[in-house]
Order: sequence, then C-alpha cells, then structure tokens
Amino acid sequence: KNEVEQSPQNLTAQEGEFITINCSYSVGISALHWLQQHPGGGIVSLFMLSSGKKKHGRLIATINIQEKHSSLHITASHPRDSAVYICAAGGSRLTFGEGTQLTVNP
Amino acid sequence: GAVVSQHPSRVICKSGTSVKIECRSLDFQATTMFWYRQFPKQSLMLMATSNEGSKATYEQGVEKDKFLINHASLTLSTLTVTSAHPEDSSFYICSAPTGGASYGYTFGSGTRLTVV
Repeated sequence: KNEVEQSPQNLTAQEGEFITINCSYSVGISALHWLQQHPGGGIVSLFMLSSGKKKHGRLIATINIQEKHSSLHITASHPRDSAVYICAAGGSRLTFGEGTQLTVNP
Repeated sequence: GAVVSQHPSRVICKSGTSVKIECRSLDFQATTMFWYRQFPKQSLMLMATSNEGSKATYEQGVEKDKFLINHASLTLSTLTVTSAHPEDSSFYICSAPTGGASYGYTFGSGTRLTVV
C-alpha cells in the first residue's frame, strides 16, 4: 500500500462540471500539498494546507487531519484545467501520490 | 513569488557523455534543493537532497558517482549525469522549499533528458 494514494487515477469531465480528486495518506505530515503538472512537465504548487480549507479562484482544497484525507475540488471546470494533479504529503520531505490525469472536454 | 529556474528544459546527448542540469533560485536563497526523477506515467521519485556548502544526501539505490550533485551557492544547485546511458533517459526536476518552517515548495520547470 502506497503511503499516499490518490483517486481516481484518470478522470474525464465535460466543461463546466464539478470535479473532485481525493488523496489519502498514512505518513505523518506537517502539510499536504496539491500540485499541478502540465503536459510539458512543469509543476505548479496549487495549495499547501495543514488544516481546514483553502480556496483560490475555482480551486478548493480541504483536509481532514483525523481521517488523513484531503480533497481537491475544481468548480466550473474548463479544458485548460486538463493536467495531472498530484497530492504530496510530508514535512521537510514529501511523499508523492501517483497523480490523477484530468481531461476536461469542451 | 519564489521562482526556480531550471535549464536546460530539453537535452539530447550521446551515450557516454555527461549532462549538467542547473537549478537557480531567482528571488530567494535556496539552502536546500531536492532533485527528483520522473518516469512516464509515474510520480516523482526523490533522488537526492543537496544542501549549500555540504555533501548531498542520496536516496537508497541512487548512484552517487553517476548523479553528481553540487550546491555551490545559495542560489545554484546542479545535477550532472555522468557517462549517460539510454536508461538514464527521464524527466528530472528540482524543487526548493520556500516557506521556511511552513514547508512551501517551488519547482523548476524540469529537464527532459534523452540519451541516444
């Protein structure tokens, strides 16, 4: 069992749909990160959270420390949201999930 | 915000040659740099951690003599793949913590290495 597990592995949605990606972890953490990786490979840090909920534009990230679970939500999804979304947990060192490939069709 | 500039973005080299990848922190001091490798359809695998002014710490199974890491200054860390072979072909990406105790990270844009 991986220390950080994401679901689903692949997700296809229609433009405008509400999207949820889940992450469960078993490692001890100081923070949980959500990252976005585009086809070219570059990685952007979306969120770092240790409790509660954060929102940035159409993206919302939540974490439940007791249940060791985090979710990334995308509201009103758009084709430009198509990317791999990666959950990473840890403190000074990160353990990465295997990523969720999101495809949003127009 | 904090930026890590990684070069080159893409390199093709012949077997047996060496390739150097640079990561520079542009507007902050990176005392630590993490180097990752990523195979297609897989997640990031930590190769080593470089610290300015001291020897890098390598993960189990990563050959120190093959993947030379130098962290000569607070703004520059380099990874040199020595005597490259086709199996070294991969995506390499660096990352530096930017948040101090808050553990924020910024990532380089990655280097796609192809060894022919």
